[in-house]
Amino acid sequence: QVQLQESGPGLVKPSETLSVTCSVSGGLMTNYYWSWIRQPPGKGLEWIGYVYYSGSTNYNPSLRSRVTMSIDTSKNQFSLRLNSVTAADTAVYYCARAGIVGASDFWGQGSLVTVSS
Amino acid sequence: DIQMTQSPSSLSASVGDRVTITCRASQGIRNDLCWYQHKPGKPPKRLIFAASSLQSGVPSRFSGSGSGTEFTLTISSLQPEDFATYYCLQHNNYPPTFGQGTKVEIK
Repeated sequence: QVQLQESGPGLVKPSETLSVTCSVSGGLMTNYYWSWIRQPPGKGLEWIGYVYYSGSTNYNPSLRSRVTMSIDTSKNQFSLRLNSVTAADTAVYYCARAGIVGASDFWGQGSLVTVSS
Repeated sequence: DIQMTQSPSSLSASVGDRVTITCRASQGIRNDLCWYQHKPGKPPKRLIFAASSLQSGVPSRFSGSGSGTEFTLTISSLQPEDFATYYCLQHNNYPPTFGQGTKVEIK
């Protein structure tokens, strides 16, 4: 069974760039959409976007100007970068796999990233 | 964005109870809807896809129904391990959007 594991910095300063990486094991990355979703403390889930195995991307319009996603299938990893962060970006960041855009079937445990000086 | 209105936001129920959670979409989404179960410290788990298809390995006490704008997740006989937060997700229209969640607690 496929497993995903996020690794993030834990703490990021305001105006800096948040970077989280997801490592995938137990399955191929081919033909899947590799997604990022976040959940601020006490709030609901927000879909950030995806990177397809081929490298093409699509982001939530609400975050598009600040987001970059990439994938390295040779390392079974994909990554999220979010620049110019503020306290509002404090959240648990989840990575997930989807065969159909949005319909994620397997998720990682999540990585809490706090934005604070 | 399509708004997903989930109700109730929380409920208290006993083991063995039948539980129903509803999700309403702000516009028609065909059957492009999933249900997830989320427990603290664990990854969300997909229970239902395509509105009514049971994910492999998920107990048959979970079922989903609906199409268009109204959807339901039913737990036929609540078990101790089912106490969690449940979310619906639409993926018919970009970007995918989630309901606000329903927390199922022990009565």
